[in-house]
Amino acid sequence: GAGVSQTPSNKVTEKGKYVELRCDPISGHTALYWYRQSLGQGPEFLIYFQGTGAADDSGLPNDRFFAVRPEGSVSTLKIQRTERGDSAVYLCASSLGQGLQETQYFGPGTRLLVL
Amino acid sequence: GNSVTQMEGPVTLSEEAFLTINCTYTATGYPSLFWYVQYPGEGLQLLLKATKADDKGSNKGFEATYRKETTSFHLEKGSVQVSDSAVYFCALSVDSGGSNYKLTFGKGTLLTVNP
Repeated sequence: GAGVSQTPSNKVTEKGKYVELRCDPISGHTALYWYRQSLGQGPEFLIYFQGTGAADDSGLPNDRFFAVRPEGSVSTLKIQRTERGDSAVYLCASSLGQGLQETQYFGPGTRLLVL
Repeated sequence: GNSVTQMEGPVTLSEEAFLTINCTYTATGYPSLFWYVQYPGEGLQLLLKATKADDKGSNKGFEATYRKETTSFHLEKGSVQVSDSAVYFCALSVDSGGSNYKLTFGKGTLLTVNP
């Protein structure tokens, strides 16, 4: 079956611009996660959705970052006034439920470059 | 806080060689431990996991044993193949007040297996 998909696969933008990154989770998965992977680092947690609500947004670095999941399926990560330091690979993952027994399935990521 | 330290790469081996990738952790509670693998051009995939001390996770010929006394979860394989070439990430999750979904990753280790 289809896995987690993310679009675009690559995004180049200029400093100060607004970007949206999209994640399509596996059908039926209620939990959705965003992570950010900077060059040479492992992924870092950003935000977790259970259904439509953001259950934990403690990993968002500042208020320029925002994410939504209005219908409990597709999620969009929004970054305002982008900065060069936002350049990274943004990973989305989904799981059937929430908990240690639930495997998180990752998408291929969106590589964001802020010039 | 929680953190994962894994051996720096890159690691280059010949086919059929023995593989060890070291991973140690610090955690504020009782963690579950994971190894994820990222093949070229693909998303992160769960390779194996262990949820309590002395558990051994295994998959595709890879093994890792949860060692609480040494806070380690080293990945091993007896005979690597070219198709094992990938980036390997050690990760943990701690059950803390219901937030047991956050994965904390190491920096990753690039493995290249030559024929």
